Amino acid sequence: DGGITQSPKYLFRKEGQNVTLSCEQNLNHDAMYWYRQDPGQGLRLIYYSQIVNDFQKGDIAEGYSVSREKKESFPLTVTSAQKNPTAFYLCASSPSGTGGDYYGYTFGSGTRLTVV
Amino acid sequence: QKEVEQNSGPLSVPEGAIASLNCTYSDRVSQSFFWYRQYSGKSPELIMSIYSNGDKEDGRFTAQLNKASQYVSLLIRDSQPSDSATYLCAVNGGFNKFYFGSGTKLNVKP
Repeated sequence: DGGITQSPKYLFRKEGQNVTLSCEQNLNHDAMYWYRQDPGQGLRLIYYSQIVNDFQKGDIAEGYSVSREKKESFPLTVTSAQKNPTAFYLCASSPSGTGGDYYGYTFGSGTRLTVV
Repeated sequence: QKEVEQNSGPLSVPEGAIASLNCTYSDRVSQSFFWYRQYSGKSPELIMSIYSNGDKEDGRFTAQLNKASQYVSLLIRDSQPSDSATYLCAVNGGFNKFYFGSGTKLNVKP
């Protein structure tokens, strides 16, 4: 079955540590996204990528980095520069172009990151 | 910044009643609109999409869109306790980017 796999489900980060969240999709979607969700708030866009080897900053990119070396994969690194990383992180994908605008997103199951 | 506004709730309705969830958006050029359901601790799942003014029905769910008023709503008929969740409104901002409201929490009481 096609879908998006995020790992790990739970992640604990120590102060000053970089951590990487994995996102893999087998939907053959061109576009991939990373969102952050805090309690009582909506989804905020961190980074997105419309095509391999290209990505753009979203609304809250500071303290995060991404890569898009393969169509299927879009890992997110939470760096030590991100001062408040505790949140629920969601990866999503969609077709690109006009089709994507009318398709919406498919979401992964999420990674819950906690600073310890 | 493109705004998508939702009443955070909680909205409480008795089992079998109609639940009405509302969303307003700021971007006049938005062309596609989506409703996602998110259970606590889970990721959002798409339940409805709507692109044209008027109503779109799918089972117990009806999405309503009024582009002139920049307003989209979701009606859930015959509400069930399993419908208890947070409902997120998403609005397309062009270039495959979507903007989300903060969600309305729905409680359906048996």
